Amino acid sequence: IQLTQSPSSLSASVGDRVTITCRASQGISNFLAWYQQRPGKAPKVLIYAASTLQSGVPSRFSGSGSGTDFTLTISSLQPEDFATYYCQQLNSFGTFGQGTKLEIK
Amino acid sequence: EVQLLESGGGLVQPGGSLRLSCAASGFTFSNYAMTWVRQAPGKGLEWVSSISAGGFSTYYADSVKGRFTISRDSSKSTLFLQMNSLSAEDTALYYCAKGSSSFGSGSHSDYWGQGTLVTVSS
Repeated sequence: IQLTQSPSSLSASVGDRVTITCRASQGISNFLAWYQQRPGKAPKVLIYAASTLQSGVPSRFSGSGSGTDFTLTISSLQPEDFATYYCQQLNSFGTFGQGTKLEIK
Repeated sequence: EVQLLESGGGLVQPGGSLRLSCAASGFTFSNYAMTWVRQAPGKGLEWVSSISAGGFSTYYADSVKGRFTISRDSSKSTLFLQMNSLSAEDTALYYCAKGSSSFGSGSHSDYWGQGTLVTVSS
């Protein structure tokens, strides 16, 4: 199963609302997780089961979708949110998307 | 507090072997699936292998199947990755990650180590 994220990179400002899309090459129900990776750090899970917020993750992060199309939304960007985001499908092993780099405008 | 500490990385020649370890603490190791994920320099994340809580089910990416072997020792709360026939394409930071359930498939990773660097070069 292939995952395609869009966009590959994104420039935004603090306070902006941003959406990242992840499309699966075949249906994966809701077996999708989103991770954030800051430079030089290990990834951190934000969302699992497509829309469930991991404990301790700020509520400005949300996920939606089912089947083949999924989105990660950050409602109001904070300085610490500028990072790279990955989706991962868990329906068949654990393929990752190619990543979306979120940069400061 | 969950802690995952990888070790065993280093410089190895093409065709060589290396065994990575991941020492786990802060949770009941035998109850959770575990996963290895790698990241080549400047590149994205690549899922490598997962193992169920009991160690009976293992899963591998096509890129490593037949060359890598994942295993675990619950008596020592340690995860392993035996890597054989290494090539330059295996050069990466290797992360150990804890699964959110006992199942090796379908389990997202809720805690990650800081990684151990493997460099394959002559």
